Amino acid sequence: AQSVSQHNHHVILSEAASLELGCNYSYGGTVNLFWYVQYPGQHLQLLLKYFSGDPLVKGIKGFEAEFIKSKFSFNLRKPSVQWSDTAEYFCAVSPDGSSNTGKLIFGQGTTLQVKP
Amino acid sequence: DAGITQSPRHKVTETGTPVTLRCHQTENHRYMYWYRQDPGHGLRLIHYSYGVKDTDKGEVSDGYSVSRSKTEDFLLTLESATSSQTSVYFCAIGSREIDTQYFGPGTRLTVL
Repeated sequence: AQSVSQHNHHVILSEAASLELGCNYSYGGTVNLFWYVQYPGQHLQLLLKYFSGDPLVKGIKGFEAEFIKSKFSFNLRKPSVQWSDTAEYFCAVSPDGSSNTGKLIFGQGTTLQVKP
Repeated sequence: DAGITQSPRHKVTETGTPVTLRCHQTENHRYMYWYRQDPGHGLRLIHYSYGVKDTDKGEVSDGYSVSRSKTEDFLLTLESATSSQTSVYFCAIGSREIDTQYFGPGTRLTVL
């Protein structure tokens, strides 16, 4: 079955530390990849997405992600986190390939806590 | 933010009662989705719609039904609520033109 795995369930960092959250998926075909963020008490917001082209994609708020096809991975990074980055982060995959109007498969989520 | 509203935002009900959650969009997008969010499971797709009166099952559809009689409204019904359906429910919308899904504010449902 298609699945998305986020290895880190709970990450605690100090401000200014670098962040990398892992995401791996199990699907051999063409995929579209996403990272969403959910701030406390809020709905999910899109951080960034990858459809094709440059495997290093940049999103909002200084986040970026790298698609490594050979590793089925799409890891999220930020060089220096801020207290306001405290949130839950979800990796998601759309295995449709040709259209993003299909279903999304989400990872379990990673809770990031940034200490001031 | 995309024009998506959900109602009610919070609901407490008892086991065995019917519950209907509403998702309303003002964006005229073709696709609408219902997810549930549970700790340790991320978001899981319940049902989705690819047009008026066109719906299909998702990963966790047992115990849920949906209806879409208008482009802007997508209803999720729990015919007989159970405690295992206590969750936060998110609606999302999407289309080919925007190439992503946008999420509503969520409904927190507690089944006692």
